[in-house]
Amino acid sequence: KAGVTQTPRYLIKTRGQQVTLSCSPISGHRSVSWYQQTPGQGLQFLFEYFSETQRNKGNFPGRFSGRQFSNSRSEMNVSTLELGDSALYLCASSRDASSYEQYFGPGTRLTVT
Amino acid sequence: QQPVQSPQAVILREGEDAVINCSSSKALYSVHWYRQKHGEAPVFLMILLKGGEQKGHEKISASFNEKKQQSSLYLTASQLSYSGTYFCGTPINTGTASKLTFGTGTRLQVTL
Repeated sequence: KAGVTQTPRYLIKTRGQQVTLSCSPISGHRSVSWYQQTPGQGLQFLFEYFSETQRNKGNFPGRFSGRQFSNSRSEMNVSTLELGDSALYLCASSRDASSYEQYFGPGTRLTVT
Repeated sequence: QQPVQSPQAVILREGEDAVINCSSSKALYSVHWYRQKHGEAPVFLMILLKGGEQKGHEKISASFNEKKQQSSLYLTASQLSYSGTYFCGTPINTGTASKLTFGTGTRLQVTL
């Protein structure tokens, strides 16, 4: 069974630009969560999607948004990039919204210059 | 509120034991443990549920003290493969378990 895949794996952007990251969950998984990981703040929850609906959102500014498609694939978008947005963005999928076990993807390393 | 983990880092020799603690200022309904090796994604280790139920698939053990709002992960007879950063996570909302607030992590290094 294929794991969670994220594209691209690495990305370099300039301040002010926007970026879209993609996540394909494990086949059959319908819940996708996004996390930001930085050395200083650790793993921080961004948002969660289930059946194309955002169920919960973390404490991030409105520049961070996401969506989920009918095939459970998810994208997150960050507009007007800031230097502080440089981080590893991890996507995790689980079978459904009440599943305890999450499977993380390898992440997208975003560098903002 | 982010769970607090202790210690922040620990170095062990192969075969030694370690305990990693996770405390929360909020009531805990479940505690999730993940391990992340350098350059890799976090991997699920174990979940402890209110009432004492545990679910996991690794040869590790953990405890969950609801009254004290804390959990401890026990790594016995450590192996080199145990090296990595361990995170505990607690659900943001009580009824939905699939998104978590994670602690800042405990870096574990096992040496020969």
